[in-house]
Amino acid sequence: EAGVAQSPRYKIIEKRQSVAFWCNPISGHATLYWYQQILGQGPKLLIQFQNNGVVDDSQLPKDRFSAERLKGVDSTLKIQPAKLEDSAVYLCASSLDPPETQYFGPGTRLLVL
Amino acid sequence: AQSVSQHNHHVILSEAASLELGCNYSYGGTVNLFWYVQYPGQHLQLLLKYFSGDPLVKGIKGFEAEFIKSKFSFNLRKPSVQWSDTAEYFCAVTRSNDYKLSFGAGTTVTVRA
Repeated sequence: EAGVAQSPRYKIIEKRQSVAFWCNPISGHATLYWYQQILGQGPKLLIQFQNNGVVDDSQLPKDRFSAERLKGVDSTLKIQPAKLEDSAVYLCASSLDPPETQYFGPGTRLLVL
Repeated sequence: AQSVSQHNHHVILSEAASLELGCNYSYGGTVNLFWYVQYPGQHLQLLLKYFSGDPLVKGIKGFEAEFIKSKFSFNLRKPSVQWSDTAEYFCAVTRSNDYKLSFGAGTTVTVRA
């Protein structure tokens, strides 16, 4: 069974630039999550989708972050404009209907200079 | 807000030593509990989980964890570690009514051959 795919794996940008991350969940998984993991901390949930609807985006900085999940499958997370403190690993995870186990992708490591 | 505390930031031990990693959570309601592991260069993967039933849970690679409700704890154990257990270990908790996964800060385990 293919796992959660993410791209790119690494990205370096300057502050105030924009960046987008892509995630393809495990086939058949209705729920998709985006997490931010800052160095030395555990992952923090940014947004949760159920099919193509948002379930929870309470911790998403909506002034600069946006996410969408078209057709209930792939998802993109965008940051515009980026700040230095956005440097982190962005993880995508998927699961069958909650509370089933979440399966994580390899993450995108973002460095904002 | 729910929080998850992992007592040790970095643990160093020799092969064949026993390992115990502490995890406490602050939420008083019904919870689901997880331990995830991230081996060097790999993505987060599930070690074990507890939803209900026997509070002693066995996971992959010889790991087990015990849920002690009165202590709000879910400590991870392994009787005899191997060099290949070198990794970062994350405790995570969801409340049964919202399934939002809250992670601890993680414990880095280094096993010396």
